[in-house]
Amino acid sequence: SQKIEQNSEALNIQEGKTATLTCNYTNYSPAYLQWYRQDPGRGPVFLLLIRENEKEKRKERLKVTFDTTLKQSLFHITASQPADSATYLCALRDAGNMLTFGGGTRLMVKP
Amino acid sequence: DTAVSQTPKYLVTQMGNDKSIKCEQNLGHDTMYWYKQDSKKFLKIMFSYNNKELIINETVPNRFSPKSPDKAHLNLHINSLELGDSAVYFCASSQDQGREAFFGQGTRLTVV
Repeated sequence: SQKIEQNSEALNIQEGKTATLTCNYTNYSPAYLQWYRQDPGRGPVFLLLIRENEKEKRKERLKVTFDTTLKQSLFHITASQPADSATYLCALRDAGNMLTFGGGTRLMVKP
Repeated sequence: DTAVSQTPKYLVTQMGNDKSIKCEQNLGHDTMYWYKQDSKKFLKIMFSYNNKELIINETVPNRFSPKSPDKAHLNLHINSLELGDSAVYFCASSQDQGREAFFGQGTRLTVV
C-alpha cells in the first residue's frame, strides 16, 4: 500500500535559518504532491502543489522540490520566523484516488 | 463567508449513541472528503465523494457513513459510537480528486 513518511520528530531551528522538511513515499508515482500547514486547533491550509514534471516550485519564502526517482519531496522555508512554527504535512493522491497525508513534521522556530 | 464549514465544532456524547456531523462548501467544488485526526495528530482519509462516486477507505468501520444531499454538502453519520471514535473530524473539498483541498475548522468528537 501507499506509504508517505515524514520525520515525526520535531524540527527546532533558530530564527533566520532555513528549515528543510522531508517527505518520502513508496509504492506509487503520483502526478503531483502537495504541502500543507496545520496550526493547533485548526484544519490544514494548502501551501504549494508541485507536479511530477516540475523539479522545483517557489512561493515567497517557500520552496518545494520533487524528485520522482528518489520518491522524495523537500520543503524549504528560508529566513524562517517564529510565526512559521506549525506542523507541515505533505499529501498526494494515492492509487485508490484518495488524497492521502503523511504524518506531518512539527517545526519550531526560536527567536 | 467561510469556504468549508462544519457543525458542530464540539460534540460530546455517550457510547452507543448515533450522531451526525454536517459539512457544507460554497466553493463549487466537485469533490468532498472526510478525515479523522487522532490524538497522535495523524490525518487519516475516511471517504472521498466525487460526482456521486464514493470512495471508501477500507479500514473505516461501516458504522461510519457519508451522506450527500447535494454537491455542496457531505454529512457524516456515525452509528453506535465507541470510545475509539473520539478524535477531530475534518471535512474538506477540492476542485477534483487530488487537487489542493480546503478544510473546515474540524469537529472535536468526544465519546464518554
